Amino acid sequence: AQSVTQPDIHITVSEGASLELRCNYSYGATPYLFWYVQSPGQGLQLLLKYFSGDTLVQGIKGFEAEFKRSQSSFNLRKPSVHWSDAAEYFCAVGESNDYKLSFGAGTTVTVRA
Amino acid sequence: DAGITQSPRHKVTETGTPVTLRCHQTENHRYMYWYRQDPGHGLRLIHYSYGVKDTDKGEVSDGYSVSRSKTEDFLLTLESATSSQTSVYFCAISESGGSDEYFGPGTRLTVL
Repeated sequence: AQSVTQPDIHITVSEGASLELRCNYSYGATPYLFWYVQSPGQGLQLLLKYFSGDTLVQGIKGFEAEFKRSQSSFNLRKPSVHWSDAAEYFCAVGESNDYKLSFGAGTTVTVRA
Repeated sequence: DAGITQSPRHKVTETGTPVTLRCHQTENHRYMYWYRQDPGHGLRLIHYSYGVKDTDKGEVSDGYSVSRSKTEDFLLTLESATSSQTSVYFCAISESGGSDEYFGPGTRLTVL
């Protein structure tokens, strides 16, 4: 069965520090991989996506993610977080013969001054 | 930003009343989805559509129905609202299934 796991429910990070959010997936085929961000009271916004090619992808707001097939992972990183990065982050996985994405449970990021 | 609007944005209703939420897109995307988001449950798919008049159930479809008579509109109906349907409802669209989905701003529904 397809599944997406975000092991960390909540992460607290200091402003200016680096951030890494973990995502592991279980898929039979080559997956399409996504990261979304949801600020309080808002809808989900697509940060970045991976379909094929270079395994390090750049997204909006200074985020990047790396696809590691051997580890079935697609971790999200940001070198220096800003207070505005406080939000909930969702990893999602899809594939070409599917009808929808599968979403992880989300990781809430708190940024302290 | 993808052109997706949801209406209403907020609604309070009473148990047993019918409720219809509307999702409207201007992107001409084939796929449309209705999700609900609840604390501790993440995003759960209610119904989806893969074309005009083509819909199917998601993982939490009981108590909900949908209709899509035009490419741009996807309606979610709660025939008889219950308190367990108090939630935030999100519409999403996608050009092709299994690929990037774009979300609307959400509708906060409270059933008293």
